[in-house]
Amino acid sequence: KAGVTQTPRYLIKTRGQQVTLSCSPISGHRSVSWYQQTPGQGLQFLFEYFSETQRNKGNFPGRFSGRQFSNSRSEMNVSTLELGDSALYLCASSPGQDLSSYNEQFFGPGTRLTVL
Amino acid sequence: AQKITQTQPGMFVQEKEAVTLDCTYDTSDQSYGLFWYKQPSSGEMIFLIYQGSYDEQNATEGRYSLNFQKARKSANLVISASQLGDSAMYFCAMREGPAGRRALTFGSGTRLQVQP
Repeated sequence: KAGVTQTPRYLIKTRGQQVTLSCSPISGHRSVSWYQQTPGQGLQFLFEYFSETQRNKGNFPGRFSGRQFSNSRSEMNVSTLELGDSALYLCASSPGQDLSSYNEQFFGPGTRLTVL
Repeated sequence: AQKITQTQPGMFVQEKEAVTLDCTYDTSDQSYGLFWYKQPSSGEMIFLIYQGSYDEQNATEGRYSLNFQKARKSANLVISASQLGDSAMYFCAMREGPAGRRALTFGSGTRLQVQP
């Protein structure tokens, strides 16, 4: 079974631009979560999508948005990039169906975004 | 207040020895899950082990075991017989509460270096 894939792996943008990152979950998984990892703030939750609906959202400004398609692939978009948006963006997929607190998330390799 | 606290920014261990990575957590929920992830320099988060709040037995997965002390709110990771390939960042994470609250909250991580 193929793992979680993220494209692109590396990206360089300039301030003010916008960027779209893509995540393809494991086949059959319907939940996709996005996390931002920076040296200063560590790993922070951005949002989670399940069956094309945003189910959970972290504490990030509206410049950060996402969506999920019917095939469970997800994209996140960051508009008006700032220097502080430079980070490793990790996507995680899970079946998402169960109601227990156990819900192992399988992470992709991440997209490293550099904003100049 | 920090939800997940990892007090050891860095740890050294000799190859073949055991090492304990500390993690304390804070939650008022009765139902929660605790996770440990390994992040090599490549960036991908690798799931290691899970402990549910209602699990009475400590979780074990091969060389990994979780020392769960619920009253003390600690969930330390024990790696037995360390290998050079264990050198990486290790993150403790928690998922709280009932369905719909599925975001993982991560600690700041511990960098483990295994010495030959």
